Amino acid sequence: EIVMTQSPATLSVSPGERATFSCRASQSIGTNLAWYQQKPGQAPRLLIYGASTRATGVPARFSGSGSGTDFTLTISSLQSEDFAVYYCQHYNNRPPWTFGQGTKADIK
Amino acid sequence: QVLLQESGPGLVKPSETLSLTCDVSGASLSSHYWSWLRQSPEMGLEWLGYMYYSGFHNYNPSLKSRITISISVSKKHFSLNLASVTAADTAIYYCARAFPVPAAGIYFDYWGLGTLVTVSS
Repeated sequence: EIVMTQSPATLSVSPGERATFSCRASQSIGTNLAWYQQKPGQAPRLLIYGASTRATGVPARFSGSGSGTDFTLTISSLQSEDFAVYYCQHYNNRPPWTFGQGTKADIK
Repeated sequence: QVLLQESGPGLVKPSETLSLTCDVSGASLSSHYWSWLRQSPEMGLEWLGYMYYSGFHNYNPSLKSRITISISVSKKHFSLNLASVTAADTAIYYCARAFPVPAAGIYFDYWGLGTLVTVSS
């Protein structure tokens, strides 16, 4: 099973600042990585797939990068509605498909 | 607009079978893959399994032979059965549409709101 590790656990950011979330896979997954946003009491929402492709309706301030084992989600200028928990998920060719433990973006 | 809605008992006794249904609107069940996931403080987000209407399916090995997913295209829903539950199966259960990637796996592009299932006597 591929283990996904996210860091940090909590990211304290001021509105308008840049936020960077990290995700590492225990083995190479190419670009088979998705990012999700989850707000309290809501289901996760797909943000990024293919490591860098924004899902439909996702604002351009969200971007993803990386390949192999190291990946990054960047929010260029954090808005109030972006304070949430962010998860990465691998979808390499062998299940189970696993998620990281999440990084919470909270207000600094 | 694709909408998914989970339904089922919120309380299940240990050793019994957890059964949930996901009603789907805005998408055809015969055109996509459909999946169940769950989330708990202890295990985080966990993929449970997926099914295609043809019967092709894949389950998380951690659930061994306890899980069954079925689909009714005519009723526009798919279902989860998880047998022999324990307290460790207490979680929020989500249904989701799974997007298959050639030569890779699946990610999840539409999710239901989730339903809390507690396993307790």
